[in-house]
Amino acid sequence: GAVVSQHPSRVICKSGTSVKIECRSLDFQATTMFWYRQFPKQSLMLMATSNEGSKATYEQGVEKDKFLINHASLTLSTLTVTSAHPEDSSFYICSARDWASGSTDTQYFGPGTRLTVL
Amino acid sequence: GNSVTQMEGPVTLSEEAFLTINCTYTATGYPSLFWYVQYPGEGLQLLLKATKADDKGSNKGFEATYRKETTSFHLEKGSVQVSDSAVYFCALRPNFGNEKLTFGTGTRLTIIP
Repeated sequence: GAVVSQHPSRVICKSGTSVKIECRSLDFQATTMFWYRQFPKQSLMLMATSNEGSKATYEQGVEKDKFLINHASLTLSTLTVTSAHPEDSSFYICSARDWASGSTDTQYFGPGTRLTVL
Repeated sequence: GNSVTQMEGPVTLSEEAFLTINCTYTATGYPSLFWYVQYPGEGLQLLLKATKADDKGSNKGFEATYRKETTSFHLEKGSVQVSDSAVYFCALRPNFGNEKLTFGTGTRLTIIP
């Protein structure tokens, strides 16, 4: 099946620094990618929907200036957490939709990135 | 708004035991319902789905039936294996308007040999 990778898998950073997380579709083209956030013992919360070549659509309550999303190619989307603070520590997961499959249900998920802000 | 409530874990069972993980939902209209599984170190994978009332999704010995009257989509397996140890997420997607998935909190399942 299709594979989505995320890099890095874990990152620890100091408060005030920025962190970039990459999401790649390895063997298919993804015109749409989704970014989720998961707190311990809570469900995945959709942060934003990223469409290749256009601005991301953010969910209500998500600061777009803090969580910068770029989807410049059909296989890569990046999430940059700017001026990170301890409350941004979380598990970030991306998914990518394979339009060629013809099914809107075909979302492939990355393994996630654990961000810890000290 | 839409929401999914699933059984809190962790759940620990012996091999060959019967598994049920409860999932109920709240949604406008008739959403599609999903179960995703996340094995250690991997991304979520679609396990099974059902798109309308009374549909039964099945895969790898797992089953779930879309029950509109009880707004439920409980996951079942008759005889679990050690390899089924994973985190299971129930989710819904509206059938109109958008493709956003709403997830439950996940249930960690551990199978003991």
